[in-house]
Amino acid sequence: AQTVTQSQPEMSVQEAETVTLSCTYDTSESDYYLFWYKQPPSRQMILVIRQEAYKQQNATENRFSVNFQKAAKSFSLKISDSQLGDAAMYFCAYRSRANFGNEKLTFGTGTRLTIIP
Amino acid sequence: EAGVTQFPSHSVIEKGQTVTLRCDPISGHDNLYWYRRVMGKEIKFLLHFVKESKQDESGMPNNRFLAERTGGTYSTLKVQPAELEDSGVYFCASSQVGDSPLHFGNGTRLTVT
Repeated sequence: AQTVTQSQPEMSVQEAETVTLSCTYDTSESDYYLFWYKQPPSRQMILVIRQEAYKQQNATENRFSVNFQKAAKSFSLKISDSQLGDAAMYFCAYRSRANFGNEKLTFGTGTRLTIIP
Repeated sequence: EAGVTQFPSHSVIEKGQTVTLRCDPISGHDNLYWYRRVMGKEIKFLLHFVKESKQDESGMPNNRFLAERTGGTYSTLKVQPAELEDSGVYFCASSQVGDSPLHFGNGTRLTVT
């Protein structure tokens, strides 16, 4: 079974600075997806970024980028130029590609990010 | 388009009572998922519907939990009888067929006292 570990329960960063959230995972599969989801205080979970394991290039979405190290099974999220609206709980998640059409995700325990004005 | 809607947003019940949570997926989304987050723990998969059929219910904790999706539209998750350890946030998510991203609802916070 796959597992996802987020070792930082809480993080804080000054507004406009850069912060990196850590995620490691364990799997015996070679083909999978990795995700970062954001859950703001309003509680709706939103997809931040997605990475396909077969792609060596790190995914980027505006101020959000990942450092995907497949051999190390590491998938960290970097947020540049942090904004107050980035304050949220961030979840790292894994999905196998073995079952097409089944978006069954395995989540980490989350990291609560606080932005300091 | 309207997002995934869940209600109630919060429910407080006593141990032994019954609670029914509802999820309305995005229109046209055949895939519907239920997840649960117990306080401080990871979000865990409960089950997956494709239209009205249960494709994977491997995450359902026990037979006190019953999920239905009549007609392949909205889904309900009933807990009967509720226990203290059932407290947590229950999330619903939906997606179109194929390799498409999940859209989550706001969740229902269930408190069993």
